[in-house]
Amino acid sequence: DIQMTQSPSTLSATVGDRVTITCRASQSISRWLAWYQQKPGEAPKFLIYEASSLEGGVPSRFSGSGSGTEFTLTISSLQPDDFATYYCLQYQDAPWAFGQGTKVEIK
Amino acid sequence: EVQLLESGGGLVQPGGSLRLSCAASGFSSSTYAICWVRQAPGKGLEWLSKISGGTKYYADFVKGRITVSRDDSKNMVYLHINSLRADDTAVYYCAKVKGTAFPLKGLDVWGQGTTVTVSS
Repeated sequence: DIQMTQSPSTLSATVGDRVTITCRASQSISRWLAWYQQKPGEAPKFLIYEASSLEGGVPSRFSGSGSGTEFTLTISSLQPDDFATYYCLQYQDAPWAFGQGTKVEIK
Repeated sequence: EVQLLESGGGLVQPGGSLRLSCAASGFSSSTYAICWVRQAPGKGLEWLSKISGGTKYYADFVKGRITVSRDDSKNMVYLHINSLRADDTAVYYCAKVKGTAFPLKGLDVWGQGTTVTVSS
């Protein structure tokens, strides 16, 4: 089974910062990776699919890159609404798998 | 509007079983694959299962204890969980797969979740 590892687990940042989160797969998943944002008490929100395609309605400050085993989610200028936990999801092969999450908190 | 609504959660004794329901609206659940994902209190997301047409997939750590099924006439998907344990306590979400053919594009629509608590 494919395992997903995210880093860092927690990230402290201020409004306006450029933030990068990394997700690594235990084997190649081509570009079959999605990113999600989750706030406490809410369902995850779909941000990016196919590693770099932005879902409709998602602000352009979010971007994704990577292929194979290493992927990144970048927030170009962190906004107050962006403080949340972010997860990657590999969907190349079942069983699908999430990364363990990265909490972006206020510095 | 495309929506998913889970139900069936509650307090269950260890060793018991539960059937969770996922009601789809705004789209045909027979056209899209549906996944189940759970989140234990204070923990991350765990992928549990996917049903795509008649094909079913399960995470290894729950295989043998869960069964996913669908009733296309009712636009419903179900998750049956047996031999419940304390560590099954979680919010259980159903989510729709974006896309109907290769390449799929992840999970785009999520329900609000239903809470399962396993305790005596």
